[in-house]
Amino acid sequence: KNEVEQSPQNLTAQEGEFITINCSYSVGISALHWLQQHPGGGIVSLFMLSSGKKKHGRLIATINIQEKHSSLHITASHPRDSAVYICAVTGNQFYFGTGTSLTVIP
Amino acid sequence: KAGVTQTPRYLIKTRGQQVTLSCSPISGHRSVSWYQQTPGQGLQFLFEYFSETQRNKGNFPGRFSGRQFSNSRSEMNVSTLELGDSALYLCASSWGSSDGEQYFGPGTRLTVT
Repeated sequence: KNEVEQSPQNLTAQEGEFITINCSYSVGISALHWLQQHPGGGIVSLFMLSSGKKKHGRLIATINIQEKHSSLHITASHPRDSAVYICAVTGNQFYFGTGTSLTVIP
Repeated sequence: KAGVTQTPRYLIKTRGQQVTLSCSPISGHRSVSWYQQTPGQGLQFLFEYFSETQRNKGNFPGRFSGRQFSNSRSEMNVSTLELGDSALYLCASSWGSSDGEQYFGPGTRLTVT
């Protein structure tokens, strides 16, 4: 049983495209995190959300607590956005999605 | 401000041995969490320490243990290593609790042969 489900698992986009990654969860949470991991690299926290919407540059994250769903949007995608994006939630412990591998082609 | 540091970065151990990994959080952060990342299982939560007390624990066997010192530095120990323990072990620190923004270290790559 996966407490956090992400889709799609893999995503290939052309540079400039608008990208959406979805995350659904089944447990009660106090916060939802979007993380980015580059190949061979460490993990960077992109967003931490407990409600509503947040925006950092070209990245936007939204969460709907009632529907237990969050989305990560990347506007005007760029090859440097190529990475694995991981959704995680904190309830009584940390639960992670399996990640979405994004490749942006120039 | 220095980031989260983990030592060692790479480690090779033999089945049956034990290993200790170290994590130094960002200065001022009091919460340290540990995670295991494998290709098959992805990221999994091991445990979280706050002010030297284990606050939350994931679903790992008792061979996995940890502790936190008064300066917030943390160690995790794995005893009686198994081949399946080969993984990237990550720690992350946050100011107050695991609800807060997590700052991840570069990880320790453990290989068990």
